[in-house]
Amino acid sequence: AQKVTQAQTEISVVEKEDVTLDCVYETRDTTYYLFWYKQPPSGELVFLIRRNSFDEQNEISGRYSWNFQKSTSSFNFTITASQVVDSAVYFCALSHNNAGNMLTFGGGTRLMVKP
Amino acid sequence: DAGVIQSPRHEVTEMGQEVTLRCKPISGHNSLFWYRQTMMRGLELLIYFNNNVPIDDSGMPEDRFSAKMPNASFSTLKIQPSEPRDSAVYFCASSLSGGGNEKLFFGSGTQLSVL
Repeated sequence: AQKVTQAQTEISVVEKEDVTLDCVYETRDTTYYLFWYKQPPSGELVFLIRRNSFDEQNEISGRYSWNFQKSTSSFNFTITASQVVDSAVYFCALSHNNAGNMLTFGGGTRLMVKP
Repeated sequence: DAGVIQSPRHEVTEMGQEVTLRCKPISGHNSLFWYRQTMMRGLELLIYFNNNVPIDDSGMPEDRFSAKMPNASFSTLKIQPSEPRDSAVYFCASSLSGGGNEKLFFGSGTQLSVL
């Protein structure tokens, strides 16, 4: 069985602070994929990043960076110099190679960035 | 390009009534997913279609729920009869068929309230 845990249900920071959202997953598959999605107040889920289980390189995209550590089954997401527009619910998700694109989502972390 | 289109955006109905939610996936995508989002249970996969064929409906709560995909450009999720506990946001998502690594594109969701 697959499981994704986002232990932080809600985080509040002040603008320009760095913030890290944690994601821990469980799977028995050797090949799998990890995702992060953003759900802004408008409600629609927006894809942020995809990672496969064989690629443990960290990735940086502007103010966003992701740290994938297979040894600890974690795929954490850091926002540097947070902005008010980053306020949203962020979901970590997991799919496995032979399940089409069915995703198992974590419970989400609500990030509030205050001016 | 148009994204995933869902209708209606909001639906308010009374217990016992039939509810039909509609989804038009992105043209060219051959996988379609229905998810339900609630505060208590988070994002749950209800059903997954590939090439218009239901592949996994293990997430459909009970017989009151049914989903169809008569062609590649249209899907419906029907609840009959509806109950207050069905109140949730229902998302439709589509993707290219793949081995689990394709990102999902989500619609804006249908906010369903059953009174």
